[in-house]
Amino acid sequence: DIQMTQSPSTLSASVGDRVTITCRASQSISSWLAWYQQEPGKAPKLLIYDASRLQTGVPSRFSGSGSGTEFTLTISSLQPDDFATYYCQQYNTHQTFGQGTKVEVK
Amino acid sequence: QVQLRESGPRLVKPSETLSLTCTVSGGSVSSANYYWSWIRQPPGKTLEWIGYVFYTGSTNYNPSLKSRVIISRDTSRNQFSLRLNSVTAADTAVYYCARGVGIYDYFWGYWGQGTLVTVSS
Repeated sequence: DIQMTQSPSTLSASVGDRVTITCRASQSISSWLAWYQQEPGKAPKLLIYDASRLQTGVPSRFSGSGSGTEFTLTISSLQPDDFATYYCQQYNTHQTFGQGTKVEVK
Repeated sequence: QVQLRESGPRLVKPSETLSLTCTVSGGSVSSANYYWSWIRQPPGKTLEWIGYVFYTGSTNYNPSLKSRVIISRDTSRNQFSLRLNSVTAADTAVYYCARGVGIYDYFWGYWGQGTLVTVSS
């Protein structure tokens, strides 16, 4: 099984901050990685796929990078709607999600 | 716009079978080259992929659940379904159905609202 490890587990930030979340795979997954945002009580929302492709309708302040085993999600300027939990997902071999990173108000 | 909605019993007894249905509108489960998936999330925990059915009816399952899972589709009702047998308390979760963004996509752009299923006697 491919394990996905996100860091940090919790991130405290303020509106306007640049935020970076890291996801590491236990083996190479090429660029077969997606990022999701989940608000409490709601279904996840796809942000990024193929490691760096922005899903239609997602604000350009979100960006993704990386390949192989190390990936990052960056929010260039945190907005009030961005306080949520973020998950990475590999789809190279079956599918696995990271444990999540909660972005909270500092 | 594709919309998905989960339905089924919210309470299942241990050792019994969990059965859920996902009703699709604005799209068809027989549309070529789309994957239709079930994903779950235990309270306070991360997401777990359960498996998917392809438009052809072929399936792929999470190895950790494979022995207990069946996912199927009903083209006449435009639905796909999940059956998970021999459930325990560890199967208590919000269950989501989802569809790939585009053809052959294994990332999920369309989701149901989720339904909480509790396993308890």
